Amino acid sequence: TQLLEQSPQFLSIQEGENLTVYCNSSSVFSSLQWYRQEPGEGPVLLVTVVTGGEVKKLKRLTFQFGDARKDSSLHITAAQPGDTGLYLCAGAPFLFTGKLIFGQGTTLQVKP
Amino acid sequence: SQTIHQWPATLVQPVGSPLSLECTVEGTSNPNLYWYRQAAGRGLQLLFYSVGIGQISSEVPQNLSASRPQDRQFILSSKKLLLSDSGFYLCASRGPSYNSPLHFGNGTRLTVT
Repeated sequence: TQLLEQSPQFLSIQEGENLTVYCNSSSVFSSLQWYRQEPGEGPVLLVTVVTGGEVKKLKRLTFQFGDARKDSSLHITAAQPGDTGLYLCAGAPFLFTGKLIFGQGTTLQVKP
Repeated sequence: SQTIHQWPATLVQPVGSPLSLECTVEGTSNPNLYWYRQAAGRGLQLLFYSVGIGQISSEVPQNLSASRPQDRQFILSSKKLLLSDSGFYLCASRGPSYNSPLHFGNGTRLTVT
């Protein structure tokens, strides 16, 4: 069974601090997606990474796909209270059957 | 872009009562459709997914069932709810490509009392 281990599970930081969330697996994925979810709403896609070693930036968020396509990271620079939420990574296995593999999520709280 | 309509937003049901949650999709045709359940602040547990009308795959044995009577309609049902069925239920749609994103509805908060 393919798993995605996401860490840390919880993160509480002050506004202006930097942070990194990790998503690791022993399996190789053809692509990996990051979602952000606010309370009472469905997750919303932030980014999809496809190529090993790929780096994508979305304002203060930097996403990286590992060279071996087994891991990914999300780095937030100068976090703001609006970044508060649940961050989820999801991977598409190479033998893709339509089912994404989700990590357990990282709850981020940014205090003003 | 795709829009996922999911209702109701909240639901309180007694143990043993039936359940029907409906999800409809706009802005795409022949999507893959999914039902997920989420514990508070945690990841998503896949319950059912469908690649076409009448085609349902069940991921975990449970007290729930799903149906897809139309291309863009996905229904989650139960004949008799259990306390353990409480949770946040999310419907999602995606295209067939391996890197297609999931588009989620806003979920239904189900409390079984």
